[in-house]
Amino acid sequence: NAGVTQTPKFRVLKTGQSMTLLCAQDMNHEYMYWYRQDPGMGLRLIHYSVGEGTTAKGEVPDGYNVSRLKKQNFLLGLESAAPSQTSVYFCASTQRENYEQYFGPGTRLTVT
Amino acid sequence: LAKTTQPISMDSYEGQEVNITCSHNNIATNDYITWYQQFPSQGPRFIIQGYKTKVTNEVASLFIPADRKSSTLSLPRVSLSDTAVYYCLVGDEDYGQNFVFGPGTRLSVLP
Repeated sequence: NAGVTQTPKFRVLKTGQSMTLLCAQDMNHEYMYWYRQDPGMGLRLIHYSVGEGTTAKGEVPDGYNVSRLKKQNFLLGLESAAPSQTSVYFCASTQRENYEQYFGPGTRLTVT
Repeated sequence: LAKTTQPISMDSYEGQEVNITCSHNNIATNDYITWYQQFPSQGPRFIIQGYKTKVTNEVASLFIPADRKSSTLSLPRVSLSDTAVYYCLVGDEDYGQNFVFGPGTRLSVLP
């Protein structure tokens, strides 16, 4: 039982490049989330999903897209990376809202 | 609009009890209050959750008054390893009652 895993752990992008971050969970959770955390700040919700095939915008969705084609996977895409997207990205999952969220180890992304 | 308000930072000494209070004046009737802990370079970790009165587990206690407009996380006899950021969360109706993390309280435990 691996819990929540994130791929990759680190990545450096040039401005304008694209990439996809993968989050996978093996707990059969319905809800999944993508957050970003800037230095010294709390986490900010980018997008979330309340079930397979659904996605919704969070606080800071601009510049990101997501997909939840399979229940266990939640993908976060950056179509044209910008330096302002340099951050640590965390994925989380839970059975439903108001329940304990399980977090992945994070992806550290730098955009130059 | 922030859903919760908590102190930005607190200092304590090893062995002391630490109480962190959070205000959530607009909490919804069906909302739970949840606290998370985050160490540097790690994702947040669930500590405790409650709806009203008092909840206790092996790590902490959570006190919630009858009006539920605030809550207090109590950490007994803290150690250096309790140095972390602590987040108080309630659901946000703008995001399907899912959590919105604020800046949290940075707790520093000194020897």
